[in-house]
Amino acid sequence: GAGVSQSPRYKVAKRGQDVALRCDPISGHVSLFWYQQALGQGPEFLTYFQNEAQLDKSGLPSDRFFAERPEGSVSTLKIQRTQQEDSAVYLCASSRDPTEAFFGQGTRLTVV
Amino acid sequence: AQSVTQLDSQVPVFEEAPVELRCNYSSSVSVYLFWYVQYPNQGLQLLLKYLSGSTLVKGINGFEAEFNKSQTSFHLRKPSVHISDTAEYFCAVISYNNNDMRFGAGTRLTVKP
Repeated sequence: GAGVSQSPRYKVAKRGQDVALRCDPISGHVSLFWYQQALGQGPEFLTYFQNEAQLDKSGLPSDRFFAERPEGSVSTLKIQRTQQEDSAVYLCASSRDPTEAFFGQGTRLTVV
Repeated sequence: AQSVTQLDSQVPVFEEAPVELRCNYSSSVSVYLFWYVQYPNQGLQLLLKYLSGSTLVKGINGFEAEFNKSQTSFHLRKPSVHISDTAEYFCAVISYNNNDMRFGAGTRLTVKP
């Protein structure tokens, strides 16, 4: 597709459930970023990939959060044993260079 | 690490009035600066960016911003707003030596008829 695609758009999870959020970046984009946006807040950096290498994961809030990009294209953000404070919109962005990032529409995760 | 402060969480204005959304940043190295707009249930759309050169940057939808290095600011302006400009606006920064983009908390612009 022409843009960054994220799926699902909406996810409701019961507390304690594991979830997986998918990001399809723009073809040819080397860099991929994940952000967490809580209600009423700005996006908070989670992690960054260059191709398949995860170069920065300093923003992941706990060891329940895990991201991968095994073939340097599609990325998955996994959250284990979800908790209510994980409820947020998760945004993915891809870019060919850092000054030209394109964002997906996000996945809204609600933990009940 | 770099950071961004958006000084106003909410800005209400009347249609056709001018508006300024304020942004200050902090970084120990040179930076690139951005403004994004987010409509309800949408992703982030780039309004404009400052990379280098002229400090006055023009973007889409009639918005412009001015980079002020001495005041570490990058305020967003529009001379006459429309109802359709109602949205959340985010200022963001990338340091030259880093790849990740840091965002401010956002300013909700509400344009009233």
